[in-house]
Parts: sequence; C-alpha cells; structure tokens
Amino acid sequence: GAGVSQSPSNKVTEKGKDVELRCDPISGHTALYWYRQSLGQGLEFLIYFQGNSAPDKSGLPSDRFSAERTGGSVSTLTIQRTQQEDSAVYLCASRQGGGRPGGYTFGSGTRLTVV
Amino acid sequence: GNSVTQMEGPVTLSEEAFLTINCTYTATGYPSLFWYVQYPGEGLQLLLKATKADDKGSNKGFEATYRKETTSFHLEKGSVQVSDSAVYFCALMNNNAGNMLTFGGGTRLMVKP
Repeated sequence: GAGVSQSPSNKVTEKGKDVELRCDPISGHTALYWYRQSLGQGLEFLIYFQGNSAPDKSGLPSDRFSAERTGGSVSTLTIQRTQQEDSAVYLCASRQGGGRPGGYTFGSGTRLTVV
Repeated sequence: GNSVTQMEGPVTLSEEAFLTINCTYTATGYPSLFWYVQYPGEGLQLLLKATKADDKGSNKGFEATYRKETTSFHLEKGSVQVSDSAVYFCALMNNNAGNMLTFGGGTRLMVKP
C-alpha cells in the first residue's frame, strides 16, 4: 500500500483481556519495527523483524508481549492479560532493507487504553 | 549502549520567535542522526537527517548540524509559525544489525499567534 497501515486506531480493553494490534507495512519493505509511546515519554523499541531472520525481541517488556510476522508482510502484536501500564500508543514502522540510513515510514499508531 | 537526551518541554513561543531544541546523544561508532515531528493526530514524520559529522540537515526552515565533538544535534528554526506546533523527537541510528532508531523523550512545541 501507499503507507503503513495500523488497526485498530483506538482500542479500549478491560484489564486482564488479551489484545491484538495489526500492522500492514509498505509493500516490499523487508524490515518491520514495533515501538511503544507511553504518555509523556519517548518511543520505546519493542521488536524488529528483518526478512526471514529470527526477530529481535530484546525490547519486549515482559513475556505477556509477543509478535509475529506472517509471510514477511503483515505483523500482529499481541498483549496477553493486559495491565493498566500497557496503555500507550503502539507504533509500527517499516523500511527497505540494506544499509541506507533512515527510510522509516511510521504508521499512525494504535492507541491502547486499558481500564 | 545508545541513548538520546533532549530538552524537556513544553516549549512555548510566540509566532516568529527563534527556536532551539537541544539534543545530545551517546553512541558507539558513527551514528546517523534524525529529527522526527509528530503533528497533532498524525504519525511520526521524518523532518531532517544527517549521516556524518558536520553535515547539516534542513527542511521546512528547520536546521540541525551533526556535531561530533559535542555529540549534539540541536534543532533550530529562525522564525516559528503556529503550524509548527507539534512534538519533536531526536533520534539516532547505528549502522549495525537492525538499524534500529533510538529516540529521545520528545519535546512539545506550542507556538502562539
């Protein structure tokens, strides 16, 4: 597509429920990243996918968080047993592979509110 | 490890005032440096970038110079407009595995008419 698409744009969930957030990257972009933007804070790296390589999960804050990327395209970030501190805007970005600096395209994010 | 520190906001200015948002970084090697902007209700957009020491990135009247000696990448604009009101993020990317962006905490700019 023309840009990085994320859905839903807003999600309100009850504490303890599981949620799935979707990211549809730009076609042909081999790298995909998830970041989290908490209120009043900067962007925190969560996970990174590059092609068929094993993902870099070093930023995931707990084992309640997981992500997958099917067919090298769409990615789903899953948060199990949500907690109030999970409330944040979850941003997805994609970029072409290779060493060119920058080239990130961000989606508009999913605002998650855990009540 | 990599880190980015930028001045806390909010920064409130009158239209046509001079803007500086400070950004300093810690990184191994020679990172690329970026400023991203997030307008209200929109996603992050790349504002400008610099890939090596003494490079100056510029866009929409904004400028930032990569200063290796002071590990800084301060954002400046000579005359801000109301439409510049947004959150500005300084970021770095090391050309290692992943090319992940490391962001500063963001600085909210409010420009009053």
